[in-house]
Amino acid sequence: GAVVSQHPSWVICKSGTSVKIECRSLDFQATTMFWYRQFPKQSLMLMATSNEGSKATYEQGVEKDKFLINHASLTLSTLTVTSAHPEDSSFYICSASLPPDISYNSPLHFGNGTRLTVT
Amino acid sequence: GQQLNQSPQSMFIQEGEDVSMNCTSSSIFNTWLWYKQDPGEGPVLLIALYKAGELTSNGRLTAQFGITRKDSFLNISASIPSDVGIYFCAGGERYSSASKIIFGSGTRLSIRP
Repeated sequence: GAVVSQHPSWVICKSGTSVKIECRSLDFQATTMFWYRQFPKQSLMLMATSNEGSKATYEQGVEKDKFLINHASLTLSTLTVTSAHPEDSSFYICSASLPPDISYNSPLHFGNGTRLTVT
Repeated sequence: GQQLNQSPQSMFIQEGEDVSMNCTSSSIFNTWLWYKQDPGEGPVLLIALYKAGELTSNGRLTAQFGITRKDSFLNISASIPSDVGIYFCAGGERYSSASKIIFGSGTRLSIRP
């Protein structure tokens, strides 16, 4: 099945620094990837839709200048948390699905997430 | 925006019992998905539903896509310890594989051995 790899699995950074999280589709090309954030004991909240070769689409309330998304290739999307603060500490999860020419109704497959802790 | 109401929030049952959880929405979804998430990991797809009224099984799991397209349920038969975790329903807005999905609030399942 489709495999989505996320790196790093966890990261600790100091307040004010930036952190980059990578999301890769390992055995397929994903023109669209999605970034979710999950706080403890809460559900997954969609942050943005990452589109290969174009600007990401952000959900309401998500700051695009703080959460920079780059989808430069069909297998890689990156999320950079800029000037991180303790309130940005969360579990960030990316997802992707097979392209329509392979599986029109392919559901989203998720990476294993990145635990970000900002001190 | 669209919201999914998932219930129950948590369940604490005896091993071997059957489990049932459901999701409802005020708006229509074209796909319904059920995921399980273990601590510190990403969600893993259990069952995907694409057609109103569809009933699909995956081992001891059975899920149905409500005919109104506004609800779905997941049943787990004869629960075992490895069923412990958080179960999320998710609704997809379009048939396109690139459509975003919205998650329910989750059902935390705990099992007494």
